[in-house]
Amino acid sequence: DVKVTQSSRYLVKRTGEKVFLECVQDMDHENMFWYRQDPGLGLRLIYFSYDVKMKEKGDIPEGYSVSREKKERFSLILESASTNQTSMYLCASSLSAAGGGDEQFFGPGTRLTVL
Amino acid sequence: QKEVEQNSGPLSVPEGAIASLNCTYSDRGSQSFFWYRQYSGKSPELIMFIYSNGDKEDGRFTAQLNKASQYVSLLIRDSQPSDSATYLCAGNGSGNTGKLIFGQGTTLQVKP
Repeated sequence: DVKVTQSSRYLVKRTGEKVFLECVQDMDHENMFWYRQDPGLGLRLIYFSYDVKMKEKGDIPEGYSVSREKKERFSLILESASTNQTSMYLCASSLSAAGGGDEQFFGPGTRLTVL
Repeated sequence: QKEVEQNSGPLSVPEGAIASLNCTYSDRGSQSFFWYRQYSGKSPELIMFIYSNGDKEDGRFTAQLNKASQYVSLLIRDSQPSDSATYLCAGNGSGNTGKLIFGQGTTLQVKP
C-alpha cells in the first residue's frame, strides 16, 4: 500500500513565523502535490513537483514556497505565516502521468492554525 | 476554466437504499476519473477510478462514465451509515500534466 505521511497532524503558529510542513511518500512516486482545503472552497492546488528539484505553481502559490531535494520528500514552506493561511494542508503523491498513474494518494493532513 | 462540477448536497438516503452521486466535467480531453471518499476531519481516500465508457463495479460501488455526455457517476448499493461522507469526483484533464481537477464534493448522509 502507498503510504504518504505528513510531519504533524496539528500545528499552531504565530503570525510572521516561518512554517515548514513536510511530506514523505514511500512508493517511489514521481509526482507530489500540496493542497489546502477550506470549507466551501474545496481542494486548491498550491504547488506540485514532477521530479526532484522540479516544481510548478498551482492555483494559489502566493505566500508559499516548496522544496524537493529527494524524490520521497516534498516540503511546503510558509515564508511568513498569516492568519488567512489557517487551513487544512494535504499532501498527495502519484506515480506518473506518463505511466498512466494519475491517481493521487493523500497523507493524513496537517491542520494549521495561525494566531 | 476547466471544471468538474458536483452538487454539494447534502444527499440524504435511507439505510439500504442506492445512493447516486453525479459529476460533470468540461474538458473533453479528460481520460481518467476518480472518486474519493472523505470523512469529516480526514483526508480523501481513493475508492474507485474509471478510464473507459460504461460501468465498473467494485463490491457495493459502481462507477459509470459517459464521455459523450461528459458525466461520471458513483452508485453505492445497500448504503450504510458508515458511507456518510463527502465524495469528491476528479478528472485528469487534458495534456498529461499529472494534475487532477477536483469537484467541490457531494455530502452523503445515510440515515438508519
